[in-house]
Amino acid sequence: EAGVTQFPSHSVIEKGQTVTLRCDPISGHDNLYWYRRVMGKEIKFLLHFVKESKQDESGMPNNRFLAERTGGTYSTLKVQPAELEDSGVYFCASSPLQLTSGRPGEQYFGPGTRLTVT
Amino acid sequence: GQSLEQPSEVTAVEGAIVQINCTYQTSGFYGLSWYQQHDGGAPTFLSYNALDGLEETGRFSSFLSRSDSYGYLLLQELQMKDSASYFCAVRSNYGGATNKLIFGTGTLLAVQP
Repeated sequence: EAGVTQFPSHSVIEKGQTVTLRCDPISGHDNLYWYRRVMGKEIKFLLHFVKESKQDESGMPNNRFLAERTGGTYSTLKVQPAELEDSGVYFCASSPLQLTSGRPGEQYFGPGTRLTVT
Repeated sequence: GQSLEQPSEVTAVEGAIVQINCTYQTSGFYGLSWYQQHDGGAPTFLSYNALDGLEETGRFSSFLSRSDSYGYLLLQELQMKDSASYFCAVRSNYGGATNKLIFGTGTLLAVQP
């Protein structure tokens, strides 16, 4: 079974530019989450999709961040325009719906996208 | 607010036992998870406690006391490959969602020969 994949693995952009991160969850996982880890700090929740619907976007920092999940499969996270404080590692995670399978506290994480804004 | 406290670093020797504590203050608590992360890679799930008590999975065990808002991860028979960062994370529905994870700042475990 393929795991969660993320693209790109690294991205270096200048302040003011736009970057789009992509996440492909494990096939059949309806829950998809985005998290971010800024250097030395905790991994912080950004938002949660159930299929194509945004269930919770309370962690999104501001309106420069836009997440989509077309058709309930892969998801994209766009940062426009990027600022210096957006630098960090962006993780995507997925999990099955509770009713079908999976352990409640388990999410499957991708390897992350390391974003550097200069 | 939501916060989880863990020690920042722990050092132990091969073969020893180490305990990583986690205290939390969160809303909408469903359970406490533990994740391992090697060299900034993908966090991987270790264990989950929804009820008070001890859960054992091989060399790793996790404990939860909901009345004390406290849990710990116990690693036995430490191996060099256990050197990694360990995160406690509360599964929360704070804000209306379910299954959101609120992470602690992580504990860097260094296993020495």
